[in-house]
Amino acid sequence: DAGVIQSPRHEVTEMGQEVTLRCKPISGHNSLFWYRQTMMRGLELLIYFNNNVPIDDSGMPEDRFSAKMPNASFSTLKIQPSEPRDSAVYFCASRGFYEQYFGPGTRLTVT
Amino acid sequence: EDQVTQSPEALRLQEGESSSLNCSYTVSGLRGLFWYRQDPGKGPEFLFTLYSAGEEKEKERLKATLTKKESFLHITAPKPEDSATYLCAVQGGSEKLVFGKGTKLTVNP
Repeated sequence: DAGVIQSPRHEVTEMGQEVTLRCKPISGHNSLFWYRQTMMRGLELLIYFNNNVPIDDSGMPEDRFSAKMPNASFSTLKIQPSEPRDSAVYFCASRGFYEQYFGPGTRLTVT
Repeated sequence: EDQVTQSPEALRLQEGESSSLNCSYTVSGLRGLFWYRQDPGKGPEFLFTLYSAGEEKEKERLKATLTKKESFLHITAPKPEDSATYLCAVQGGSEKLVFGKGTKLTVNP
């Protein structure tokens, strides 16, 4: 198995632009998680899905952030409009029997 | 609110010098405590899950232990390739994991 796949790996954009991050979970995993990692705050959960349904989005920082999971093999995290304080590494993870397996992350820089 | 505190923030060891990393936690109804390893520029890599106090798990030079208030990651005779950031996380009543900020381990040859 290829593991969790994320794209792009790096994204540099200007303030105000829309950013879309993509994730393909491990086949057969029913839960998908989006995290953000910064030096100051560490690894924070933004939102998670079970069987493609959003369960808890309490970690989404504000309405500029949205996430979708249209099917079991694809999810997106969208930021519109982006701001410099959104600069971070965004990880997607999918859950097997009990453990979560992380993708390689997307490093987002908003200038 | 579930909380995880890891110490120390950073640790430097000489190759072969054994030591332990600490993870203190507060959680309502522990369902699992997880250890991950993260290398620079990569996603966290799963190491262990511990479910109840007294449980221990081992993998190569690493051994994880669990009490009702904390977990330790013991590193025996570390090698330079063990250098990484080690993250601890707890799962309480939901599927959410709450992570600590990690311990950055450097092992010098």
